[in-house]
Amino acid sequence: EAQVTQNPRYLITVTGKKLTVTCSQNMNHEYMSWYRQDPGLGLRQIYYSMNVEVTDKGDVPEGYKVSRKEKRNFPLILESPSPNQTSLYFCASSLSSRYNEQFFGPGTRLTVL
Amino acid sequence: AQSVTQLGSHVSVSEGALVLLRCNYSSSVPPYLFWYVQYPNQGLQLLLKYTSAATLVKGINGFEAEFKKSETSFHLTKPSAHMSDAAEYFCAVTTVGYSSASKIIFGSGTRLSIRP
Repeated sequence: EAQVTQNPRYLITVTGKKLTVTCSQNMNHEYMSWYRQDPGLGLRQIYYSMNVEVTDKGDVPEGYKVSRKEKRNFPLILESPSPNQTSLYFCASSLSSRYNEQFFGPGTRLTVL
Repeated sequence: AQSVTQLGSHVSVSEGALVLLRCNYSSSVPPYLFWYVQYPNQGLQLLLKYTSAATLVKGINGFEAEFKKSETSFHLTKPSAHMSDAAEYFCAVTTVGYSSASKIIFGSGTRLSIRP
């Protein structure tokens, strides 16, 4: 089944404790992206990647890191999480670019205490 | 810079009534426009997209949207609402061109409620 998977789905952590949210797609997509969803703000793009080893900042990259060492994986790293990073996070992928339909993962709900 | 405005954070209609969800965009170059739907506790899925072909775009579940350049709008409509349409709807824009800034901008979302 074609899908985007994220892990974990739920995470409660404390300020400053490094964490990684994994994202994997099995559709051989080139374009991958991370979003955060907050009430009243919709989805905001954190980082995106147009291909392996090619990443760029979205609109809200502060406090986040990403890497794209393999085509299928695009982990989101929070080196020192803070409470304002409490949010619902989505990973998405599309065939070749931002022009194509994006396929979203099920989301990761992160709470930083 | 591109932007998206969705008018109305919450829209409520009766079952069988017309659904109209508004989206206005701002872009200095020709846009690609999308509508996505999010059901409770799920990720987003594509309803339809405009890519500079036909201005009236038909999507899944009976939804359609019309691109109006003069009004910079891409409103989503459905002639007859069904209870299963209750969800949150997001409009999104990205731009055509050779810019290295391959960003996608989403609106703040509109929650659609259906009254029996």
